[in-house]
Amino acid sequence: AQRVTQPEKLLSVFKGAPVELKCNYSYSGSPELFWYVQYSRQRLQLLLRHISRESIKGFTADLNKGETSFHLKKPFAQEEDSAMYYCALSKKNAGGTSYGKLTFGQGTILTVHP
Amino acid sequence: GAGVSQSPSNKVTEKGKDVELRCDPISGHTALYWYRQSLGQGLEFLIYFQGNSAPDKSGLPSDRFSAERTGGSVSTLTIQRTQQEDSAVYLCASSPNLRRLAGGGASYNEQFFGPGTRLTVL
Repeated sequence: AQRVTQPEKLLSVFKGAPVELKCNYSYSGSPELFWYVQYSRQRLQLLLRHISRESIKGFTADLNKGETSFHLKKPFAQEEDSAMYYCALSKKNAGGTSYGKLTFGQGTILTVHP
Repeated sequence: GAGVSQSPSNKVTEKGKDVELRCDPISGHTALYWYRQSLGQGLEFLIYFQGNSAPDKSGLPSDRFSAERTGGSVSTLTIQRTQQEDSAVYLCASSPNLRRLAGGGASYNEQFFGPGTRLTVL
């Protein structure tokens, strides 16, 4: 069975400081990893996915298969980054297609102080 | 366009009562998911519908929980004989047919979430 671990429930930084939200996973197959974000009074939404290797709102995440990690990083945090962040995993089939349920971590509440 | 909608937004019920939570997915989305968001438990998968296939019920915590998806669209999550530990925010999500990234390569499964139903069992 797959499992996602986010060791920090709360993370506080000051504006302009670097931020790293940790995510580790365990899964015997080839996973697809995602970061979802939930801003205050908004619905959960996709932030980024590892396969597209994109930078969204200044955030990046690299899949490290050796360490089974998918940490989310931003070099200079902004106040509007304050939100709940979830790391999530989806299975992939032999054709490389992700499908089915997402397995989420416990979430990390990021607070960026002015 | 319209996103995933859920109703009611809030539901307060007494222990032992049955509740029904509704989800309207994005039109044309073939997959529908239910998750539960609670303090200390994070986001837990409950059930997943994909087209006409048999649903994946592996996340349902007990036989008091059931869900239907009628006509491949609207879904109802039913909780019978509610308990206080059922108090949580119930989230619905839908996703379209798996699609390929531009230029080929693996598809991905982006799920679009509704606003949730906050259930409080007294």
